[in-house]
Amino acid sequence: SQQGEEDPQALSIQEGENATMNCSYKTSINNLQWYRQNSGRGLVHLILIRSNEREKHSGRLRVTLDTSKKSSSLLITASRAADTASYFCAPWDTDKLIFGTGTRLQVFP
Amino acid sequence: DAEITQSPRHKITETGRQVTLACHQTWNHNNMFWYRQDLGHGLRLIHYSYGVQDTNKGEVSDGYSVSRSNTEDLPLTLESAASSQTSVYFCASSDTAGGPGDTQYFGPGTRLTVL
Repeated sequence: SQQGEEDPQALSIQEGENATMNCSYKTSINNLQWYRQNSGRGLVHLILIRSNEREKHSGRLRVTLDTSKKSSSLLITASRAADTASYFCAPWDTDKLIFGTGTRLQVFP
Repeated sequence: DAEITQSPRHKITETGRQVTLACHQTWNHNNMFWYRQDLGHGLRLIHYSYGVQDTNKGEVSDGYSVSRSNTEDLPLTLESAASSQTSVYFCASSDTAGGPGDTQYFGPGTRLTVL
């Protein structure tokens, strides 16, 4: 059973625009992580937010977590063509990460 | 530099054959994971290990087995390959320092085709 569900499934934007991806999950969590996957490659960790945190920043990334709504969002500001990839949220459920199907982001030059 | 590697990167096999996919990490991480990735399903956990001699079943463990005889390696074995096991397989590892829920580092993946 998948816990992390990303929305939208696909997103196309122009360079310089902001991209927002949302994630919903089902149970209580200890933390929630976001990963990026470039086509044909392994996943790369972007950011980890703990259940007692509401917002976290890393460079052009901003992640929010609302445990009451069981949701998280990833904002990429001033997007670049190199940000084109699939993005996955992964709530930590007791003893493992549960990945969703991801959001495919396409950034056009 | 420390890294996590998978071999082979591509494998074609026949139904019914036993296949072993290798995963090797040089970070000295205690935690190691195997996932499969299929269109429409995202990544699904197959097996995981929190240390030598420790193995646990994940969401889709039927038809797969793992063994952990040292810290660096977690080979994944398909006992009798089936066409439904055609997929891309990813190995990952994480450190214990931050707890089992810490950042996972992924290998480059193995594309397995079962004919």
